[in-house]
Formats: sequence, C-alpha cells, structure tokens
Amino acid sequence: EAGVVQSPRYKIIEKKQPVAFWCNPISGHNTLYWYLQNLGQGPELLIRYENEEAVDDSQLPKDRFSAERLKGVDSTLKIQPAELGDSAVYLCASSLVEGREQYFGPGTRLTVT
Amino acid sequence: RKEVEQDPGPFNVPEGATVAFNCTYSNSASQSFFWYRQDCRKEPKLLMSVYSSGNEDGRFTAQLNRASQYISLLIRDSKLSDSATYLCVVNSGDMRFGAGTRLTVKP
Repeated sequence: EAGVVQSPRYKIIEKKQPVAFWCNPISGHNTLYWYLQNLGQGPELLIRYENEEAVDDSQLPKDRFSAERLKGVDSTLKIQPAELGDSAVYLCASSLVEGREQYFGPGTRLTVT
Repeated sequence: RKEVEQDPGPFNVPEGATVAFNCTYSNSASQSFFWYRQDCRKEPKLLMSVYSSGNEDGRFTAQLNRASQYISLLIRDSKLSDSATYLCVVNSGDMRFGAGTRLTVKP
C-alpha cells in the first residue's frame, strides 16, 4: 500500500513569492494533517481536516497561509507571500480517524531567500 | 509551560545499553499517546502507541502514568540503528509533539 505522498520534496523561492505544497494521503484515511517543523523542534500542527472539512486551523497564519482539501482526498497548502521565517519542513500526515496513529509523508523542505 | 515536554538529550550510550526517555504532558484530559522516531532529515515514523496498561514491542517498552501525566519509553539492548530522535506525541483534541530526545548509540 502506498504511503503518504508529498510534492515537491524541495523548494527554493525568493521572499514575497507564492508557493504551494501538495499531499496525497493514504487511501481511506479520513483525517489529514499539515505540520510545520523547524530544526530541532517537533512538528507543529497547522491544520487538520476531517474529510473535506477543516476542523482545526487555529495555528494556521491565515493572513498568508491557506489550505484546501477538495473531495476529501488530496490537499494543497499555499503560502502567499512567503517570508524568510517560513523556511522549514512542511509535513503532511494522515490517519484513519482523528486520534489514531498518524503516518507522515517525506515532507517538503522550503527555503525562502 | 509547553504542553508536551521532553528531555532534549543528547543521550549517548554504548551498544547493548538500556536507555529510558520520559515525556510529560500538561493536559489531564489527553486521550491517546504515541512514540515516533525520526532519523536525520527524514519524516517521523510511528514507533508504538502507548496503552494504559503499558505495552512492549521487542526491545521497546512504553508506559503511561496518568496520575503523574507522563509517558516513558525504554529501549533495551541498544543497537547502532536505534540512533535517532524520539518524539513523544499526546492527543488532547489535537496532536501535540514534544521537541524530541536525541539518542546516539555508539559501538
């Protein structure tokens, strides 16, 4: 069975440019998470979806970040405009239902210059 | 105070040693608990869930102490391949990760 797929794996952009990350969760997993991870820190939740509904986006900086999960499967996370401080690894994870074991994709390493 | 706290380490141990990590959490209503391992520049991978009665998977033992609000991970007979960062995860309505404890097992 395929795991969580993310693309791109690496992205380098200049500040003020837009960027988008894509995630395809494990088939049948209703819950999808986007995390941000800085070096030496644990992942920090940005947004959680139950099917196509965003049920927890309290940590998402809504002035520049947006996300969507059309049809309750794939998801896209966007940053516009990017700032230097957004440089981090963006991880997508999915679980069968909320509160159960999560499985992570390989992440997108973003560098904003 | 952070919701989930771990000793950052690093823990440097010889092969064959037994090592234990603790993780404390602040929300007494937390419902589920996990340990993940993360290798350098890789994604976190599920190591084991933590059950109320404690659970064991080979050389790894996880325990939960709800009264004191901590979970622990014990690794017996450490292998070189156990070198990684170990992340504690607590679900209290949303998943909260600790910052991780770094383990290096040396020959």
